[in-house]
Amino acid sequence: GESVGLHLPTLSVQEGDNSIINCAYSNSASDYFIWYKQESGKGPQFIIDIRSNMDKRQGQRVTVLLNKTVKHLSLQIAATQPGDSAVYFCAENIGGSQGNLIFGKGTKLSVKP
Amino acid sequence: DTAVSQTPKYLVTQMGNDKSIKCEQNLGHDTMYWYKQDSKKFLKIMFSYNNKELIINETVPNRFSPKSPDKAHLNLHINSLELGDSAVYFCASSQVQGATEAFFGQGTRLTVV
Repeated sequence: GESVGLHLPTLSVQEGDNSIINCAYSNSASDYFIWYKQESGKGPQFIIDIRSNMDKRQGQRVTVLLNKTVKHLSLQIAATQPGDSAVYFCAENIGGSQGNLIFGKGTKLSVKP
Repeated sequence: DTAVSQTPKYLVTQMGNDKSIKCEQNLGHDTMYWYKQDSKKFLKIMFSYNNKELIINETVPNRFSPKSPDKAHLNLHINSLELGDSAVYFCASSQVQGATEAFFGQGTRLTVV
């Protein structure tokens, strides 16, 4: 079965608020994690990634937190904008240098103006 | 220039037909993939190719066959199409196999009637 999942299938936030999207993974050997954003009718687009030797990484308006103790990954989006509305996926790399990305089920983020 | 391009964007065909989806990447990446996204947005890897060699062949029916004439192309051929094959198929590429970002095409929506 798939090892990556999400707590919330849908998330609705007010424009300007912060968003937090959560992801649980079950493979403790995963060495790399990545968040993708998928807008309607498009392919997944890279947002931010993090390696297993880190617990936090920041990008522009986004932060990824990794808690290996409880196998939890989260994506924080600051000052959420209407353009952030999309489906968000977490993915993990299983298999090291010969691995591939296994995706979670996705969370739909809706931003209310 | 489009980094990962796949054609066609939409494909409607009858059960039992054979069809192909083409994919090209101009990023100079060594690894290419095919993913299937079902109606619930779940993304599942089907194949990956590294330097024209099949690395991973997930448990997909042998009616699906990836063909790579060179490392910039990975086409997906499907024989004897079934209703359950209806989905969105994404091609992707990454610089190397393993713990690295994958770049996705815009997807091909396949509808089998």
